[in-house]
Amino acid sequence: SQQGEEDPQALSIQEGENATMNCSYKTSINNLQWYRQNSGRGLVHLILIRSNEREKHSGRLRVTLDTSKKSSSLLITASRAADTASYFCATVPTGTASKLTFGTGTRLQVTL
Amino acid sequence: GAVVSQHPSRVICKSGTSVKIECRSLDFQATTMFWYRQFPKQSLMLMATSNEGSKATYEQGVEKDKFLINHASLTLSTLTVTSAHPEDSSFYICSARDRGQGARRNEQFFGPGTRLTVL
Repeated sequence: SQQGEEDPQALSIQEGENATMNCSYKTSINNLQWYRQNSGRGLVHLILIRSNEREKHSGRLRVTLDTSKKSSSLLITASRAADTASYFCATVPTGTASKLTFGTGTRLQVTL
Repeated sequence: GAVVSQHPSRVICKSGTSVKIECRSLDFQATTMFWYRQFPKQSLMLMATSNEGSKATYEQGVEKDKFLINHASLTLSTLTVTSAHPEDSSFYICSARDRGQGARRNEQFFGPGTRLTVL
């Protein structure tokens, strides 16, 4: 399977804490994207990082990419209860245009 | 902008019947749409790539005769699950790739998903 792996599979933190999720993938990529999915709903695009970028920020989100290790991390700072969701990384392998390969996902639970 | 809709959002059918799911890009044109399947608490698995005006490209292990895809226009793709069985029960999600020339070019936008339950 070309699917990437994410860890942890599940993460439970308290509001205000930071949440870090990691993603590893198998092939060379054009870019890596992070998505959020609330239970039983569609996907919301969070951030895209290109293969020549190492770090990117968007609001409370910080994404890093290490192409030598084929890994990425998503940091959510000062988490809120509304951040409770599943988070997926998705890669666009080199030479496949925008065909996405999703990771296994991390279920984040933020409690008050 | 960049809205993708799916219809229906939820469908329950009897085993052996066929179910059609529509995916529409509402404010942009999409030459390419993608269909994914997601089982409970699992990730999205790409089923097929739908190309406007040509045959869909199916991923390994996906039966093309069971999951019929039609991409008749630049804003509509349909997935028909033929002779559905309980094991086809899943969450089906489509995405559409913007063919425009702007900043959204080649970006994928996801629909809200369709929950299929086969009894």
